[in-house]
Order: sequence, then C-alpha cells, then structure tokens
Amino acid sequence: NAGVMQNPRHLVRRRGQEARLRCSPMKGHSHVYWYRQLPEEGLKFMVYLQKENIIDESGMPKERFSAEFPKEGPSILRIQQVVRGDSAAYFCASSPLSGDGDTQYFGPGTRLTVL
Amino acid sequence: GENVEQHPSTLSVQEGDSAVIKCTYSDSASNYFPWYKQELGKGPQLIIDIRSNVGEKKDQRIAVTLNKTAKHFSLHITETQPEDSAVYFCAANTRGGTDKLIFGTGTRLQVFP
Repeated sequence: NAGVMQNPRHLVRRRGQEARLRCSPMKGHSHVYWYRQLPEEGLKFMVYLQKENIIDESGMPKERFSAEFPKEGPSILRIQQVVRGDSAAYFCASSPLSGDGDTQYFGPGTRLTVL
Repeated sequence: GENVEQHPSTLSVQEGDSAVIKCTYSDSASNYFPWYKQELGKGPQLIIDIRSNVGEKKDQRIAVTLNKTAKHFSLHITETQPEDSAVYFCAANTRGGTDKLIFGTGTRLQVFP
C-alpha cells in the first residue's frame, strides 16, 4: 500500500508565476489536509477537503490560494501570483475517516522556492 | 484560538539516556494527540499517538502520557540512539468535524554517541 504521494518534490517559481502542487492520498483515504511549514517552524493547517468538497479552509489565505480534490485524480493546491513569502514546504496528509481523531499520514512534501 | 505549546525547543542527550518532550494544549475538546518525527528534508512520520480515553501508551522505547485535567501530554524516549536525532512535533486535534491538527513548534533532539 503506497503512502501519500506528493509532486513535485521541489518547485522553483519566479514572483508572479503560478505554483501547482499535487497530492495523491493513500489508497482508500478520502480525506485530505494541506499544511504549510515555514523554515524552523511547525506545521500550520491550511485546508481540509473530501472528494469534490472543501470542508474547512479557515487556514487558507483569502487571496491567491485555492484547493480542490476532484472525483478523479489528485488533490491540487494552487498558488497564483506567487510572492517570496510563499516560499515554504507544503505537506498534505490523508486519513480514511474524520470526526473522531483519525490518524493523518503525511506525504514527503513539496518545497516551494520563489525567486 | 486553539494553541499547542511545546518545550524544550532543543534537547541534547547522550546515547542511552532518556529524553522527555512536553506539550500543553488549549482546546478542552481535543481528544487525539499524535507525535511526529521529522528528519531533514522529509515529511512528518507518525511515531505514536494517544486518545483521551487512556492516560499512557507505550511502544518499545517510546511512551506518551496524557493528563487531561492539566491539558498536558508528554513524549518519553528511553535508551536513546543517534538515529533518534530529528525534530519532534506534538499535535492536538480540533473537534467540530474537521479534525485539523494544531502543531507545537517542534523540539530538535540531538543524541550524541
């Protein structure tokens, strides 16, 4: 059973470009969480999605950031018009259930560098 | 809002010694407390977790204790080895259907041979 997969592992963008990060959850998992980790800091929740639904986006910046988890294919975190402050590691986690503290398994992350 | 505090931020021990990392949480509704180990350039790896219906859980050299009254939980690593060197994060879930995790700020553990 493959773990959570993320790609690309490293992404370099110039200011103003778009960054698109992908996450494939573990087989059988229908819940995806995205977290952001700034250098030397802990992980901060961004958004929680189920298939075709955004359940909680309270941690997402109001502008330039969006996320989706379509019926088919991976979850996508999209950052438009990137700025230097967007440079961070972005992790997704998946779980089979939610609502009562189910285990979240993390992927290897995408490290975004904005030049 | 919900908050998790973690101490110490760095911890250096001699191989074979024990290491203890402590966390406190603010949301009294939290009922799930995982611990993750993160090595350089990698994603967080779950090493142990505890739910609010138990006070202690052990897995070989790793144990976690939970005091719900005081909102404290701790990670104990015995007989430390150099490969235990990493950053350790505690977390607590938030209730209300989303179960997002609130993470502590991390403890950098160094085990010297």
